[in-house]
Amino acid sequence: QQQVRQSPQSLTVWEGETAILNCSYENSAFDYFPWYQQFPGEGPALLIAIRSVSDKKEDGRFTIFFNKREKKLSLHITDSQPGDSATYFCAANGANTGKLTFGHGTILRVHP
Amino acid sequence: DAGVTQTPRHEVAEKGQTIILKCEPVSGHNDLFWYRQTKIQGLELLSYFRSKSLMEDGGAFKDRFKAEMLNSSFSTLKIQPTEPKDSAVYLCASSPNQDTQYFGPGTRLLVL
Repeated sequence: QQQVRQSPQSLTVWEGETAILNCSYENSAFDYFPWYQQFPGEGPALLIAIRSVSDKKEDGRFTIFFNKREKKLSLHITDSQPGDSATYFCAANGANTGKLTFGHGTILRVHP
Repeated sequence: DAGVTQTPRHEVAEKGQTIILKCEPVSGHNDLFWYRQTKIQGLELLSYFRSKSLMEDGGAFKDRFKAEMLNSSFSTLKIQPTEPKDSAVYLCASSPNQDTQYFGPGTRLLVL
């Protein structure tokens, strides 16, 4: 059972464009949604996170838009850079269970 | 502060061997997680400790995988006996607050 789904599986954009990565979930109890960035040969690193009481979280070029009613969220990367090329994971946690449920990731490639 | 450390970074084992992977969480973090990462299955939770108590032992991974938390600053994951299908990246993560998890660089295991 895939409780967190990500799309697309892979995405290619040109340098300077905005990349949009999508995530949806099924469990209404989820209330915390971190996004992780992973480069080859490294572990996932926390990029940005949002709680369900908010509908938007911004950190520099990275913004999360959250729609609780539709159980969807998206990560927008503006002015994409080749250094942003990585795999991005959407995750979810709820009710302080301590466990994160991860999506399968989106591979982002930014061409110079 | 030092992040999560994992050793070794790479391991090659023959089928049937016993291997032990090591993890040192971030100092002061109460939760510790072991994951297996593959391209097909993504991130799979193997074990979860809270304040050194085992909260989850990974269901399907129980028979040959055993994680232990010997003290609050050290954990091991034993795979016995190894099989070629165990070839994957094994990630350790720790958390201070039952929400955000911080990952180590991973151990890349190849079983021949």
